[in-house]
Amino acid sequence: AQSVTQPDIHITVSEGASLELRCNYSYGATPYLFWYVQSPGQGLQLLLKYFSGDTLVQGIKGFEAEFKRSQSSFNLRKPSVHWSDAAEYFCAVGPVPNQGGKLIFGQGTELSVKP
Amino acid sequence: DAGITQSPRYKITETGRQVTLMCHQTWSHSYMFWYRQDLGHGLRLIYYSAAADITDKGEVPDGYVVSRSKTENFPLTLESATRSQTSVYFCASSVEGNQPQHFGDGTRLSIL
Repeated sequence: AQSVTQPDIHITVSEGASLELRCNYSYGATPYLFWYVQSPGQGLQLLLKYFSGDTLVQGIKGFEAEFKRSQSSFNLRKPSVHWSDAAEYFCAVGPVPNQGGKLIFGQGTELSVKP
Repeated sequence: DAGITQSPRYKITETGRQVTLMCHQTWSHSYMFWYRQDLGHGLRLIYYSAAADITDKGEVPDGYVVSRSKTENFPLTLESATRSQTSVYFCASSVEGNQPQHFGDGTRLSIL
């Protein structure tokens, strides 16, 4: 069965420090992978996506993610975190076969940024 | 403005009442989705629709009804609300099933 695991429920980093959020997935075929960000009181905003090709993908707001098939991972990175990056981050995989584009979301990682 | 809008943003109601959450998108996306977001459960899919007049169940459909008579609208109805349906509800749309989903800002629903 398809699944997504985000091992870290909450991470705190200092402003200016680098960031890596982990995502591991289980999927029978080549997955489509996504990272979304959710600010308080708002919906989810797409940060980046991987469909095929170059395994290092660039997204908005200075984020990037690397697809590693051998490790079933799609970790999100940012070289220097800004206070405005404090939010919840969701990794997702899909589409689930025969279920109309359904995505499987991880539980989310809440990011806090220290001044 | 173009996009996906949900209404109302906040709703308080009582158990047993019927409540309808609205979702409207201006992109003419084929696919639309309803999720609920709860602490400890992340996002769970309630229903989805691949096109007008085509809907299907997701992970947690019990107690919910959807319709899609027009491409741009995808209302979600709780026929007889229960406290366990207190949640934040998100609508999303995508141009195709395997494309990124675009989310509304959510409806925070409290059932007393």
